[in-house]
Formats: sequence, structure tokens, C-alpha cells
Amino acid sequence: KQEVTQIPAALSVPEGENLVLNCSFTDSAIYNLQWFRQDPGKGLTSLLLIQSSQREQTSGRLNASLDKSSGRSTLYIAASQPGDSATYLCAVRRGALSAGKSTFGDGTTLTVKP
Amino acid sequence: DTAVSQTPKYLVTQMGNDKSIKCEQNLGHDTMYWYKQDSKKFLKIMFSYNNKELIINETVPNRFSPKSPDKAHLNLHINSLELGDSAVYFCASSPRMGANEQYFGPGTRLTVT
Repeated sequence: KQEVTQIPAALSVPEGENLVLNCSFTDSAIYNLQWFRQDPGKGLTSLLLIQSSQREQTSGRLNASLDKSSGRSTLYIAASQPGDSATYLCAVRRGALSAGKSTFGDGTTLTVKP
Repeated sequence: DTAVSQTPKYLVTQMGNDKSIKCEQNLGHDTMYWYKQDSKKFLKIMFSYNNKELIINETVPNRFSPKSPDKAHLNLHINSLELGDSAVYFCASSPRMGANEQYFGPGTRLTVT
């Protein structure tokens, strides 16, 4: 059974800091891994998607890496801003979407202080 | 046994038409979702229902209207289809709100011409 763990559960940083969020998974036979952000009371916003054959993806100030063999992914946020405050979730998909199952971590709640 | 099923699998239609996609789960789950997968393969959540009640309604055009007749079904109706609606739509369910596991249906590939 796939288990996804995100560390830390909560993180508070001053504005402008670079930070790393961690996601680990127990079963390395994954199809892809996706990072989402969730704002209070709202749904999920997709941030980055890494296919199992890829090592990293970048979008603006965000960079996500994937090390399948060690069961780890990191989300790097450069020059953090108060607007980055949200809960960040990683989700691991076992197989192609027709296989049906994604497992989400519990999330890391990030607070960026002005 | 199919856990989360969607019909139809493929839907080709013309601009301006109204169409529906149906979703059913036989897992006894409380929560169901609709996602849209864009051209970059991102899954973007559209709606979330818990025990037939709308919980999350992301910023989607009001041409999209979900309907949940019971806990096991969440249908998606789309009015006045536009070219930009072409995508793969996935239904998913989870045991409850906030559960870490989501079970996805096979997807419906919608093509608007």
C-alpha cells in the first residue's frame, strides 16, 4: 500500500527566503507525481507534474524534483512571498490514469510572513 | 468490479451543444470530484461533492453544472460547449473529505469541433 508523507507539517518563514518542502512515498513504482496548492476553503491548484521518467520540472519560482529510487520529491520555492501562503500537497499516481488511484500526502502548511 | 465508472469514454460534439458526462462509484465513498486534465496533463479540480452537497466549486464557467442525485453518482452537465472545453474529464471518489486516497474513473475524452 502506497503511503505518502510530507515533512514538515507546517512551516513559517519570513518573506524572501528560499524553502524546500519534502514528499516521500513508500512504493517507487509510480506513474507520476503532482504538486498542488490548496488555499483555505478552496480546491486544489495544480503546480507541477513530474512523470516517472523525469527528474525535475520548473515553473517560475517553483522547482520540483523527483528521485524515484529513494522515494522522494522536493518542491523548492525561491524568494517566497506572502501570497505563497497555502497548504502544499503532493500526490502520487500508481499507474496510468485508467488504473485509477492517487495517494495524497497530508500536506505542508506554509506561512510566509511579510 | 469497476470502482469508478464514467460514461461515455469518448464524446465528440459541435460547438454550442449541451452534453452530460455521468459518473458512478460503487465503493461506498462519501466524496466525489470532477477534474479536468489539460494539455499539459495537469489535473485541475473543478468540483467536489460530499454526501451530495457541493463543497468545492473552483473557478469554472457556469456553463458547467454538476449534479449529484445520490452519494454514488456525480454527473457533469455542460451547456453551450466551446472549443476550449476539449479535454479529458476525470471523475474521482474518496472515502471522505480530506482522505488521502482518491480513486479515479477512466476519463471521458471530450472533443468539441
